[in-house]
Amino acid sequence: QVQLQQWGAGLLKPSETLSLTCGVYTMSFSGYYWSWIRQTPGKGLEWIGEINASGSANYNPSLKSRVAISVDTSKKQFSLKLTSVTAADSAVYYCARLLVTGAFDVWGPGTTVIVSS
Amino acid sequence: QSMVTQPPSVSGTPGQRVTIPCSGSSSNTGSNYVYWYQQVPGTAPKLLISRNDQRPSGVSDRFSGSKSGISASLAISGLRSEDEADYYCAAWDDSLSGYVFGTGTKVTVL
Repeated sequence: QVQLQQWGAGLLKPSETLSLTCGVYTMSFSGYYWSWIRQTPGKGLEWIGEINASGSANYNPSLKSRVAISVDTSKKQFSLKLTSVTAADSAVYYCARLLVTGAFDVWGPGTTVIVSS
Repeated sequence: QSMVTQPPSVSGTPGQRVTIPCSGSSSNTGSNYVYWYQQVPGTAPKLLISRNDQRPSGVSDRFSGSKSGISASLAISGLRSEDEADYYCAAWDDSLSGYVFGTGTKVTVL
């Protein structure tokens, strides 16, 4: 069964850079897009972006100027960086596998990120 | 921000059939597949319905999806206490060039 495990700093100060990594276990890394999605009580679920094993990435236009998703195929990991964070970026961040069918079929457990001075 | 709307809550008694509507626009639900996710509070969402009406392996046949025009719906038949969760629809949005999620619906079993 495919598993995603994620890790990264959970407490940030305003203007810092959010950095999270997701590891893919027990499944092929190639042939899929790997995504980041966040969830806040106020805005619900928000797609952040996606990347494939070749490094081709797509981002939510509302975050594009601050976000970067990268991939390390040798480690079967992909990472999220979000710069200049504010309190509005406080959320639970999920990594997920995106199938060619368009479905997010496997999700990581989520990482709570709080931005506070 | 979400351009896809769902009612905040839906409730029913055990055994009842409930439906959750999802309404978007021509750029998302109207022209692309709709997906449904179930989220038990404190856990990650789980894929429930793919491509409007396809159930992934392991998903109970009590869950069914449909779509007509810009509207989609998720039906839960034979409602059970374990169905209490939040349900989200989602679709690709051509204008955004990205995925959008519905506002979410909390299902309560009375």
